[in-house]
Amino acid sequence: GIQVEQSPPDLILQEGANSTLRCNFSDSVNNLQWFHQNPWGQLINLFYIPSGTKQNGRLSATTVATERYSLLYISSSQTTDSGVYFCAVATNAGKSTFGDGTTLTVKP
Amino acid sequence: DTEVTQTPKHLVMGMTNKKSLKCEQHMGHRAMYWYKQKAKKPPELMFVYSYEKLSINESVPSRFSPECPNSSLLNLHLHALQPEDSALYLCASAALLQETQYFGPGTRLLVL
Repeated sequence: GIQVEQSPPDLILQEGANSTLRCNFSDSVNNLQWFHQNPWGQLINLFYIPSGTKQNGRLSATTVATERYSLLYISSSQTTDSGVYFCAVATNAGKSTFGDGTTLTVKP
Repeated sequence: DTEVTQTPKHLVMGMTNKKSLKCEQHMGHRAMYWYKQKAKKPPELMFVYSYEKLSINESVPSRFSPECPNSSLLNLHLHALQPEDSALYLCASAALLQETQYFGPGTRLLVL
């Protein structure tokens, strides 16, 4: 099956810093999503981005499908950004595979 | 409204019990998913329904039995579970397969 690798596995930042999270995938995909999982387990949809660039406030994402990677940018980080960030890809059959996630800790 | 609801929020069951998890969405979505997530691990896909028909079963043991009685509702029937089945069970829906998935808050299951 498709392999999804996220880096870095852990990231500690001071409030106000910027960061870049990376997601590499091993095969062509029809769908790529970025999620933020809060401490209560809720997965919050950040971006649906099979290709191209999108921005939403302090967050933006870029997927280069031909090179099989996606990047999530977080600018001016806040303590509420802490949590686990997952990248998930899906094939045309609808099978979804998540990466292992990046655990982000933002310190005040 | 992009809400997916799940009940119960928490469930404790013995290995001989039968219980069910419920997931509901009223967004008109035609794809629904069950995932299992162990602590400090990513969600793992269990089942996918498309237009109320099972389209993917990721080799899940038969003690987990999914059911999609209508386009808004997805159940997961549990029977004779093992302690290692304790996990967060997440439901998601999407307008169609391959489109944006929206997740419910999950059911935390503990099997004693």
